[in-house]
Amino acid sequence: DSGVTQTPKHLITATGQRVTLRCSPRSGDLSVYWYQQSLDQGLQFLIQYYNGEERAKGNILERFSAQQFPDLHSELNLSSLELGDSALYFCASSGQNLMNTEAFFGQGTRLTVV
Amino acid sequence: GQNIDQPTEMTATEGAIVQINCTYQTSGFNGLFWYQQHAGEAPTFLSYNVLDGLEEKGRFSSFLSRSKGYSYLLLKELQMKDSASYLCAVLNYGGSQGNLIFGKGTKLSVKP
Repeated sequence: DSGVTQTPKHLITATGQRVTLRCSPRSGDLSVYWYQQSLDQGLQFLIQYYNGEERAKGNILERFSAQQFPDLHSELNLSSLELGDSALYFCASSGQNLMNTEAFFGQGTRLTVV
Repeated sequence: GQNIDQPTEMTATEGAIVQINCTYQTSGFNGLFWYQQHAGEAPTFLSYNVLDGLEEKGRFSSFLSRSKGYSYLLLKELQMKDSASYLCAVLNYGGSQGNLIFGKGTKLSVKP
């Protein structure tokens, strides 16, 4: 158990809908990362938050947004869903910085858009 | 830009040694991670290199050459359970694409 909790584990929804994925980082970790992993693809960086503020943004679609709350949990919002958004969405957390430590990953949310 | 390259797939025999290479070209560098990922599961940390040289941890070792933009992961005494994808990731604090960027991963199949 990495200490990072993601909910829900599985989500099936229709095209055009909106969903919210939730991540609780490890206790004390300030950074949260979101990644998308499509079938047989690598981890695509979406966005990073540090202590409530956006730190870096990757190839995140405009239909997607995220935020990190004062209690450090984070939510990833996906709207106007398309079939191609079906993927595993991982959240990872790390401490104040990544020096001499690693990012810990949650078990992921498997999103299926039908 | 950011570019991290690994072979897509590799096959090896149980009990053997395999080396998985990773080359990177990034705007900055603050370290390199290797992660293991079984299909449908979360990546788990294997190793971290920030200085040149070899880091050994049990059956797994990782090597880094910063001047060459090159790393490898060495797996010894392969076991069937080592069949997984191995992800190389570069840490770059100044990266506009985020601090931790992953390669596409190398899918390793261990045969009896």
